[in-house]
Amino acid sequence: DTEVTQTPKHLVMGMTNKKSLKCEQHMGHRAMYWYKQKAKKPPELMFVYSYEKLSINESVPSRFSPECPNSSLLNLHLHALQPEDSALYLCASSQGVGLYEQYFGPGTRLTVT
Amino acid sequence: DAKTTQPTSMDCAEGRAANLPCNHSTISGNEYVYWYRQIHSQGPQYIIHGLKNNETNEMASLIITEDRKSSTLILPHATLRDTAVYYCIVRADLYNNNDMRFGAGTRLTVKP
Repeated sequence: DTEVTQTPKHLVMGMTNKKSLKCEQHMGHRAMYWYKQKAKKPPELMFVYSYEKLSINESVPSRFSPECPNSSLLNLHLHALQPEDSALYLCASSQGVGLYEQYFGPGTRLTVT
Repeated sequence: DAKTTQPTSMDCAEGRAANLPCNHSTISGNEYVYWYRQIHSQGPQYIIHGLKNNETNEMASLIITEDRKSSTLILPHATLRDTAVYYCIVRADLYNNNDMRFGAGTRLTVKP
């Protein structure tokens, strides 16, 4: 199984809502990632978890809060988002630290109204 | 990690080889060249990577010049399903390097 799953596929939320994005992998990977992708732009790295610890935070606003409850699961908690946060949010995983190939999920398309 | 430069877009006829160039003139000795692609409405997909030797797998071939300042990804027999944005990424072989930065990429359109 080389699949990374993300739920939901689509999410519409108001600026005062709290919601969460979920990512799961069962490949035994120990590194997991969140990327943000605006339309017609490349993915931008947001967060990296390595062995369930946050190792990279690309100066992401605190309205995005990542969580890695266990090695298979990665969440992104959203609160008080702005319309400009509307984007495709991609999750990825890799075997471990270093130059391992990253496996990406299909993404969650988020619209903030 | 070194910066990469790719053409914005390219066309290729179905069944022909697609050759996608990438310039990475500031690449360091410990930096690898990776290629990913992103088909519309999907997450990026790993294709191939290399350090200095040419590499081939079931998806593509990677040709790196001797001075390592540029490389070419070759899809030997392009199909319509190869239409995607192709990203060339340089990554340093450092302990704990989980950092991967996408550039603008090349939008490849395979035409019938």
